[in-house]
Amino acid sequence: QVQLVQSGAEVKKPGASVKVSCKASGYTFTSYYMHWVRQAPGQGLEWMGIINPSGGSTSYAQKFQGRVTMTRDTSTSTVYMELSSLRSEDTAVYYCARELTMIVVAPLGYWGQGTLVTVSS
Amino acid sequence: EIVMTQSPATLSVSPGERATLSCRASQSVSSNLAWYQQKPGQAPRLLIYGASTRATGIPARFSGSGSGTEFTLTISSLQSEDFAVYYCQQYNNWPHTFGQGTKLEIK
Repeated sequence: QVQLVQSGAEVKKPGASVKVSCKASGYTFTSYYMHWVRQAPGQGLEWMGIINPSGGSTSYAQKFQGRVTMTRDTSTSTVYMELSSLRSEDTAVYYCARELTMIVVAPLGYWGQGTLVTVSS
Repeated sequence: EIVMTQSPATLSVSPGERATLSCRASQSVSSNLAWYQQKPGQAPRLLIYGASTRATGIPARFSGSGSGTEFTLTISSLQSEDFAVYYCQQYNNWPHTFGQGTKLEIK
């Protein structure tokens, strides 16, 4: 079965960077796009960007351009999301989520358990 | 960027009754619209995609309709486990924007 297992909670100071991992199993890693979505405490879902695990190409929401980097390691079936220049407003649960199917446009059918990132001085 | 607007923000319904949630897109997203359910402390779960197709394992009391800019999620007879927050998301264009959510609470 498809599983996405994320790294543990992080506490960072303002201005620092955080790198969250998402290890995939139960399917062919390079066949499905992976997305990152975040959720601030008590708030809604915010789409951050997408990575193609096959070639590594990415597309980021404009809000995060210049601060976010998504990468992958095909040898370990892991995707990473690094967010830099952290500020308090980046305190949120960060989710990786895999597309449901391999077609060009697809919803998010599988989600990781989430990683809480707390930014505090 | 396509803006997704959900209404109402909160919906109070009694168990066994019908709930109707709405989602509007600022421009056409064709049928590339999904609905997710989220319970406290959990990741979102895909309910509906392609505007009207139930995801695997989703009960038949959940149904979706609409296309273009207007979409509806209907829960025909609310069960206790259905009280949660529901989000719509368009995946027609990047960024794949979400609505702000509708909280479905027990009346």
